[in-house]
Amino acid sequence: GAGVSQSPRYKVAKRGQDVALRCDPISGHVSLFWYQQALGQGPEFLTYFQNEAQLDKSGLPSDRFFAERPEGSVSTLKIQRTQQEDSAVYLCASSPIQGATEAFFGQGTRLTVV
Amino acid sequence: KQEVTQIPAALSVPEGENLVLNCSFTDSAIYNLQWFRQDPGKGLTSLLLIQSSQREQTSGRLNASLDKSSGRSTLYIAASQPGDSATYLCAVRYNDMRFGAGTRLTVKP
Repeated sequence: GAGVSQSPRYKVAKRGQDVALRCDPISGHVSLFWYQQALGQGPEFLTYFQNEAQLDKSGLPSDRFFAERPEGSVSTLKIQRTQQEDSAVYLCASSPIQGATEAFFGQGTRLTVV
Repeated sequence: KQEVTQIPAALSVPEGENLVLNCSFTDSAIYNLQWFRQDPGKGLTSLLLIQSSQREQTSGRLNASLDKSSGRSTLYIAASQPGDSATYLCAVRYNDMRFGAGTRLTVKP
């Protein structure tokens, strides 16, 4: 596709449910990032992939959060046993190579936990 | 720790004014710095990308500067318009990418 695509755009989950958020990066992009953005805040780093390797997951807030990119393209962010504080917009970005290249963002998935 | 700070948090100006948004970062070992615009409920739109070896980049009414050694960048917006109203975010690229909290800009007609 022409840009980074995220699905679903909106997700409402009952507290305790598991959710899976999908990111389709720009074709051929090596680097992929996930961010969490609370209302009125800047994006907070969650995790980073280079191809299929998860090089940094230091931003994942708890062991309920898990991300994967098994074939080095599509990535899934999974949140288990969702809690109200997980409500946020989850943003995905990709860039062509590691380091000095421009990053492109998807429109995000707005997760609301009720 | 790689921290990114943006000042001010919010700014309101009358139409036509020139303005400066500030971004500072604690770890100067960066690959690049990117300025984004975010409209309410929307994703991030890239405005300008400055490589670590560059001092500034310009696009239309926007000019971004980078002083890597002092850990600072500024985004200059000339002749502001109501359509410029948005949140402006700076992102510093290491192997990953770290954001400031943003500056919420309102340009009044």
